[in-house]
Amino acid sequence: GENVEQHPSTLSVQEGDSAVIKCTYSDSASNYFPWYKQELGKRPQLIIDIRSNVGEKKDQRIAVTLNKTAKHFSLHITETQPEDSAVYFCAASREGNTPLVFGKGTRLSVIA
Amino acid sequence: GAVVSQHPSWVICKSGTSVKIECRSLDFQATTMFWYRQFPKQSLMLMATSNEGSKATYEQGVEKDKFLINHASLTLSTLTVTSAHPEDSSFYICSARDWGWDEQYFGPGTRLTVT
Repeated sequence: GENVEQHPSTLSVQEGDSAVIKCTYSDSASNYFPWYKQELGKRPQLIIDIRSNVGEKKDQRIAVTLNKTAKHFSLHITETQPEDSAVYFCAASREGNTPLVFGKGTRLSVIA
Repeated sequence: GAVVSQHPSWVICKSGTSVKIECRSLDFQATTMFWYRQFPKQSLMLMATSNEGSKATYEQGVEKDKFLINHASLTLSTLTVTSAHPEDSSFYICSARDWGWDEQYFGPGTRLTVT
């Protein structure tokens, strides 16, 4: 089955700096890669996703890159703000009704 | 976007009792629902996948007789934790999607505390 590794587990950045979180996956058939932000006690919120036919996607300060050959994808947050502080999860899944497999999460702290 | 509700949002029960958690898709047909469990400072761990009208598929290590899942309609799935023990205390989150969708929509979660 799919295995998703996520690094780093914790990340502290100064406000205004960039943050990068990296994930690798094992199943070459996976083709959907979402990123979630989760605040304490709340549901995961989808912040951006990418499908395997695309190498990069950007939405304002957030971007995701995908390297299918190497089976890794990354989240980039630019101009970080204190409200970006949360736990971020990457995930991967195949087509159809297959479940998402989550990475272990990255706790991002943005220091003002 | 699509909306998923979950009820109750939190529940406290005594050891040995059973608790039912409901997950509803409010504005779409949830052909598939997923149940996750999340312990403090950990990731979401998939417990089971349920397709409407069929038996749930449980992940390895999840006891199907302890965590009963019913997905009887296209908008409702329930998870019943039977004979709950303190180690079952956790945050339970459901998610749902319609056939052909990539994105899953998450419920707000249920915090279960077993005393």
